[in-house]
Amino acid sequence: DIQMTQSPSSLSASVGDRVTITCRASQSIGSYLNWYQQKPGKAPNLLLNLASSLQSGVPSRFSGGGSETDYTLTISSLQPEDFATYYCQQSYTTPMPFGQGTKVELK
Amino acid sequence: QVQLVESGGGVVQPGRSLRLSCAASGFTFSTYGMHWVRQAPGKGLEWLAVISDDGSNEFYADSLKGRFTISRDNSKDMVYLQMNSLRGEDTAVYYCAKDSSVYSQQYGMDVWGQGTTVTVSS
Repeated sequence: DIQMTQSPSSLSASVGDRVTITCRASQSIGSYLNWYQQKPGKAPNLLLNLASSLQSGVPSRFSGGGSETDYTLTISSLQPEDFATYYCQQSYTTPMPFGQGTKVELK
Repeated sequence: QVQLVESGGGVVQPGRSLRLSCAASGFTFSTYGMHWVRQAPGKGLEWLAVISDDGSNEFYADSLKGRFTISRDNSKDMVYLQMNSLRGEDTAVYYCAKDSSVYSQQYGMDVWGQGTTVTVSS
């Protein structure tokens, strides 16, 4: 099975900061990599799929990249509503695990 | 609007069974793969299972060890999760979610229900 390792597990940042979260798969997943944002008490929200394809309605400050085993989620200028937990997930093959999550907190 | 509504959660004793339901509306249900995901209190997301658009294929997380079964009824726009031999570690919020691309299970989950809480306790 493919394992997903996400880093860091948490980070502190200020409004306006550029933030990058990394996700590594234990084997190549052919860019079948999804990023989700989750706020407390709410269901997750799909931000990007296929590593870099921004979902409708998601602000352009979110971007994704990577290939093979290594992927990144970047928030170009952190906004107050972006403080949340972010998860990667591989959908290349089943089972389709999530990373452990990255909590983005206010510095 | 596109919506998923889960039901069937509650408090259940260890070893018992429970069936969760998820009612879909606002989209052509029979053309999308459907997933179940759970989140234990204070923990991350755990992918559980997916069923193909026509119900012909099901895939599961290894951790479930055959205790859970996903199914769907396209005539009723419903997806189910049958959970047997429940354990304390199954305590979680359970979400159903729709795949984002037709006839696929591989493009991420773009619509989620509000979740239903399952508590396994004696």
